[in-house]
Amino acid sequence: GAGVSQSPRYKVAKRGQDVALRCDPISGHVSLFWYQQALGQGPEFLTYFQNEAQLDKSGLPSDRFFAERPEGSVSTLKIQRTQQEDSAVYLCASSSRGLAGGDNEQFFGPGTRLTVL
Amino acid sequence: AQSVTQLDSQVPVFEEAPVELRCNYSSSVSVYLFWYVQYPNQGLQLLLKYLSGSTLVKGINGFEAEFNKSQTSFHLRKPSVHISDTAEYFCAVGMAKTGNNRKLIWGLGTSLAVNP
Repeated sequence: GAGVSQSPRYKVAKRGQDVALRCDPISGHVSLFWYQQALGQGPEFLTYFQNEAQLDKSGLPSDRFFAERPEGSVSTLKIQRTQQEDSAVYLCASSSRGLAGGDNEQFFGPGTRLTVL
Repeated sequence: AQSVTQLDSQVPVFEEAPVELRCNYSSSVSVYLFWYVQYPNQGLQLLLKYLSGSTLVKGINGFEAEFNKSQTSFHLRKPSVHISDTAEYFCAVGMAKTGNNRKLIWGLGTSLAVNP
């Protein structure tokens, strides 16, 4: 399909496990974003890539969170030693615009619901 | 820094009635404004956006919003709602100036419940 895809859609992890969440952006989109959405809340920014460069990781809540986009397309968000407070929906979005300008309309994937037991 | 306040967490309304979902923002720089809708178990979908120009913006599914710079508001309206409009609605703001981070700052959402 032509939209943003994420996998897995649901992930259950035991506390202390490592998890990896995948995002396939729209082909050709320069910008890629990760957001965390807790239950009943709005999305919270985690990190931003322009192509393969991670330009902003100010929203990552701890050094247990790590994201990469090595070839400027697919991105992986990794969470090490998961904790119960990491339970949330993780949203990936892509945009055709980079920092050069224009509106930053973002196209979202369906999200990965992470539950840490 | 930017912030977004959605003034109503829940809005119940009867089918075919008009509805307004309120959004206020704060920012020291020019912004773009967005409304997204999230249906149950689905991803976020763009309803409409304000970039520049006309302050009245029309979106999908009969929704519209008006940008009011003096009141720093971007309220969403629909003259007649349907059962299918039941969803969570999010207001978001992004910095308009080029060269800045492209992230969006989000409100907490408004849950619209349309009753028959």
